[in-house]
Amino acid sequence: SQQGEEDPQALSIQEGENATMNCSYKTSINNLQWYRQNSGRGLVHLILIRSNEREKHSGRLRVTLDTSKKSSSLLITASRAADTASYFCATDAGSYIPTFGRGTSLIVHP
Amino acid sequence: AAGVIQSPRHLIKEKRETATLKCYPIPRHDTVYWYQQGPGQDPQFLISFYEKMQSDKGSIPDRFSAQQFSDYHSELNMSSLELGDSALYFCASSRPSGRYNEQFFGPGTRLTVL
Repeated sequence: SQQGEEDPQALSIQEGENATMNCSYKTSINNLQWYRQNSGRGLVHLILIRSNEREKHSGRLRVTLDTSKKSSSLLITASRAADTASYFCATDAGSYIPTFGRGTSLIVHP
Repeated sequence: AAGVIQSPRHLIKEKRETATLKCYPIPRHDTVYWYQQGPGQDPQFLISFYEKMQSDKGSIPDRFSAQQFSDYHSELNMSSLELGDSALYFCASSRPSGRYNEQFFGPGTRLTVL
């Protein structure tokens, strides 16, 4: 079964709006990572948040982690058309091997 | 900065043929991971190597094998190819720094089996 499940599966917004994607997982983790993937391209690492951290920022990205709810969120503020991509969360459940969820497809309309 | 290199970038094979995918990790990275991503699917972990030894095994079919060489590059060998093997194959590498390792992904090899 999937360790990480992203929600929503698809998100369509206007440029300038904020985009929030959620990830839920099932077992205890060491860390959670968010990746971005443009269509048919490689995975680009965005942020790694450790199990003892609650929030992390990187530029327009903000990631939160709630281990009690086994969930994480990725917020992209002031979105741009270039943010259009699929976003995946990946968790490692003790094996240090990141397991990916199904991803959220984000479309930002100019 | 140097990134993970994968070759070839595109590969077309017939059913029942074999294919070899190569991965060159970032210099001084000692761990290599292989993932398979089918169309519209999430990446699925196949296998990983640490210091040239297999460290973890995921959903890798028996028809596939892999190894990591003394220069840390890795090769994924795929035999008796099936139509369902058509996918993007990603390699990732990470630094030798314990459990909180960020993975750096290569651009992938797109394999098409006809």
